[in-house]
Amino acid sequence: GAVVSQHPSWVICKSGTSVKIECRSLDFQATTMFWYRQFPKQSLMLMATSNEGSKATYEQGVEKDKFLINHASLTLSTLTVTSAHPEDSSFYICSAADGRRIETQYFGPGTRLLVL
Amino acid sequence: KQEVTQIPAALSVPEGENLVLNCSFTDSAIYNLQWFRQDPGKGLTSLLLIQSSQREQTSGRLNASLDKSSGRSTLYIAASQPGDSATYLCAVGPTQGGSEKLVFGKGTKLTVNP
Repeated sequence: GAVVSQHPSWVICKSGTSVKIECRSLDFQATTMFWYRQFPKQSLMLMATSNEGSKATYEQGVEKDKFLINHASLTLSTLTVTSAHPEDSSFYICSAADGRRIETQYFGPGTRLLVL
Repeated sequence: KQEVTQIPAALSVPEGENLVLNCSFTDSAIYNLQWFRQDPGKGLTSLLLIQSSQREQTSGRLNASLDKSSGRSTLYIAASQPGDSATYLCAVGPTQGGSEKLVFGKGTKLTVNP
């Protein structure tokens, strides 16, 4: 089956630093990748949708200058949390859609971010 | 705006019991509905995907039904086991309007006691 990896799986950083999270599709080409955020006991909230080679589309209320998304290839998308603050601490999950079956998203294992 | 609600928020049952998790959505114009499992601190595992033209899907002890017109889906778990303990998420999408977005419910946290 399709596999999506995320790196790192968890990260602790100081307030004010930037953190980059990678999302890779290992055995398929992902024309579209999605970034979600999940707070404790809450649902996954879509942050942005990225298509390879174009700018990401951000959901309402998500700061695009705060959460930089790059989808430079068909197998890699990155999310950079710039000038992280404690309120950015969350669980970030990416998913990737096979261009042939856009309705099926394959999810990564998630990245736990803790900002001190 | 699509909204997905899952009831109950938490459920605790003894091992061996059959159980039903509920999911409702406000906009019936969907392409599919998926049920996922999430273990604590982990990502999502897809359990079942029901296309809008289908009424149910089965995988092992799991059976998911979809009534698109009424905006409801149920996940039936037969003969529950302690290993079934996890949070179960329902998600709908993409919409027939062309959106690729998945909209998730808050999940049902299931605990199966040995």
